[in-house]
Amino acid sequence: DSGVTQTPKHLITATGQRVTLRCSPRSGDLSVYWYQQSLDQGLQFLIQYYNGEERAKGNILERFSAQQFPDLHSELNLSSLELGDSALYFCASSVRSGRVNEQFFGPGTRLTVL
Amino acid sequence: AQKITQTQPGMFVQEKEAVTLDCTYDTSDPSYGLFWYKQPSSGEMIFLIYQGSYDQQNATEGRYSLNFQKARKSANLVISASQLGDSAMYFCAMREGQGDYKLSFGAGTTVTVRA
Repeated sequence: DSGVTQTPKHLITATGQRVTLRCSPRSGDLSVYWYQQSLDQGLQFLIQYYNGEERAKGNILERFSAQQFPDLHSELNLSSLELGDSALYFCASSVRSGRVNEQFFGPGTRLTVL
Repeated sequence: AQKITQTQPGMFVQEKEAVTLDCTYDTSDPSYGLFWYKQPSSGEMIFLIYQGSYDQQNATEGRYSLNFQKARKSANLVISASQLGDSAMYFCAMREGQGDYKLSFGAGTTVTVRA
């Protein structure tokens, strides 16, 4: 158990819909990262938040948005869903200091768009 | 350009034997970190081992060791004495810079351990 929690574990929805994925980082971790794992694109970085502020943006579509709340949990919002958005979405967290800065991954949310 | 390249899509290894998973990387940042993660069929990502760009020694963690060849920009993972539970997808990843920055992942290598 990494200490990072993600809900829900599975999500099945239809094209055009909107969903929210939730992540709680490990206690004390200020950084939250979102990654998307799909068969055709592999594991891709979407976005990073640090202590409530957006810190870095990757290949995140305009239809997707995220935020980090004062209690440090984060939500990834996916709207106008398309079939190609079906993927495993991971949240990870890390501490800022330390030599390794290992990212601890949550169990993921598997999104299926029908 | 791909930052992390894993050229072996799949490998078979006999139980109790060693296996080497290849990883090459591309960066102009002198400070970076290299990671290996394991993803079993259940889907979670499990951290295995880390090598910093300034580390003089190759990293080891139990049965995992990282063969770091800086000049060749290669960071191969060696799993010794393979076990059936090692069957999984293995990802090489890189963080550029010294802080808490994003990871760039390779395409992964599927390892199947045979009894």
